[in-house]
Amino acid sequence: DGGITQSPKYLFRKEGQNVTLSCEQNLNHDAMYWYRQDPGQGLRLIYYSQIVNDFQKGDIAEGYSVSREKKESFPLTVTSAQKNPTAFYLCASSIGVGRVNYEQYFGPGTRLTVT
Amino acid sequence: ELKVEQNPLFLSMQEGKNYTIYCNYSTTSDRLYWYRQDPGKSLESLFVLLSNGAVKQEGRLMASLDTKARLSTLHITAAVHDLSATYFCAVINTGTASKLTFGTGTRLQVTL
Repeated sequence: DGGITQSPKYLFRKEGQNVTLSCEQNLNHDAMYWYRQDPGQGLRLIYYSQIVNDFQKGDIAEGYSVSREKKESFPLTVTSAQKNPTAFYLCASSIGVGRVNYEQYFGPGTRLTVT
Repeated sequence: ELKVEQNPLFLSMQEGKNYTIYCNYSTTSDRLYWYRQDPGKSLESLFVLLSNGAVKQEGRLMASLDTKARLSTLHITAAVHDLSATYFCAVINTGTASKLTFGTGTRLQVTL
């Protein structure tokens, strides 16, 4: 049963703490992405990775970090430097670069609340 | 910088009526995607449009792409309550590999 999993579904943290959000896919996709969604807003790209051991900043990378040590996994760390981290975080994957169709498939999301 | 605009941002419509959501984008692209999001949920892929003139239909929804006008439409026919959700279009920026730029979303509410 192929898909993208994110854990946990809900996450609560105190201000000043770093927190890592998990994203795993078994679709054999090369490319993976992290988005942030605020209430009533669209999606904004945080980081993306087109291949293992490589990743690029998206539009709002400040205060976040990622790693891509395995093809299946693309964890996102929300650091204490992120000024307003409370949001809904969505992970996605796509087949990869060089294809005609870059359709992205989304995980169920993690809702992070920082107080 | 690629900009993607949707209108309207909010649409309240009666069951049985027809309506169209518009998605305009600012730079050349021939790949456009429509997604649906239910409240508190993730995004579900609806349509993939990969060429000028592409038209896809699924149930009461039909999407089309005009790359010359940089415009995609999502047409709703005889709306039913189950279609209530937020709809996003997303466009590939052909200069930046596989990055998608999302529109602001259109929140659709279908009432009896």
